[in-house]
Amino acid sequence: SQQGEEDPQALSIQEGENATMNCSYKTSINNLQWYRQNSGRGLVHLILIRSNEREKHSGRLRVTLDTSKKSSSLLITASRAADTASYFCATDAPDSSYKLIFGSGTRLLVRP
Amino acid sequence: NAGVTQTPKFRVLKTGQSMTLLCAQDMNHEYMYWYRQDPGMGLRLIHYSVGEGTTAKGEVPDGYNVSRLKKQNFLLGLESAAPSQTSVYFCASSYIGQPPYEQYFGPGTRLTVT
Repeated sequence: SQQGEEDPQALSIQEGENATMNCSYKTSINNLQWYRQNSGRGLVHLILIRSNEREKHSGRLRVTLDTSKKSSSLLITASRAADTASYFCATDAPDSSYKLIFGSGTRLLVRP
Repeated sequence: NAGVTQTPKFRVLKTGQSMTLLCAQDMNHEYMYWYRQDPGMGLRLIHYSVGEGTTAKGEVPDGYNVSRLKKQNFLLGLESAAPSQTSVYFCASSYIGQPPYEQYFGPGTRLTVT
């Protein structure tokens, strides 16, 4: 069963615009992570936010977490063509913190 | 430092054939994982290991077996391949230290079962 569900499933924007992806999950969590997957490649960790944090920044990435709504958002500012990829949220599993449950992902296309 | 590597990158099997996927990591990580990714879906955990000599079932373990004889290697076996096992398989590893556990992924193995 999938814990996180991303919205939208696909997003197409122009280079320079901001991209926002949302993730909803079902059970309480200790932390939430975002990963990027370029076409045909493995996943790469982008950023992590703990359950006691509300917002976190890393370069052009901004992540928010609302535990009351069981949701998170990933904002990529000033997008570039190289940001074209699929983005997945992952939460720690209810039964163990070292297992992750991944959402179905958002496919982002940044048009040059 | 190669990180997480997977062998082979591609494979085509006939129904009923067997094969083993090899995952190796050089980061001295305790935890290792095998996932499958199907079109339009996220990753689903097949099996995982919390240390050398230990394995455990994940969300979708049926039809697969695993072994962790050495800390750096995690093998995924398909004893009798079925078309439903056509997928991209990813191996990952993570450090045993304090949570949260960021996972490091290999490049994947694309398996087609005909």
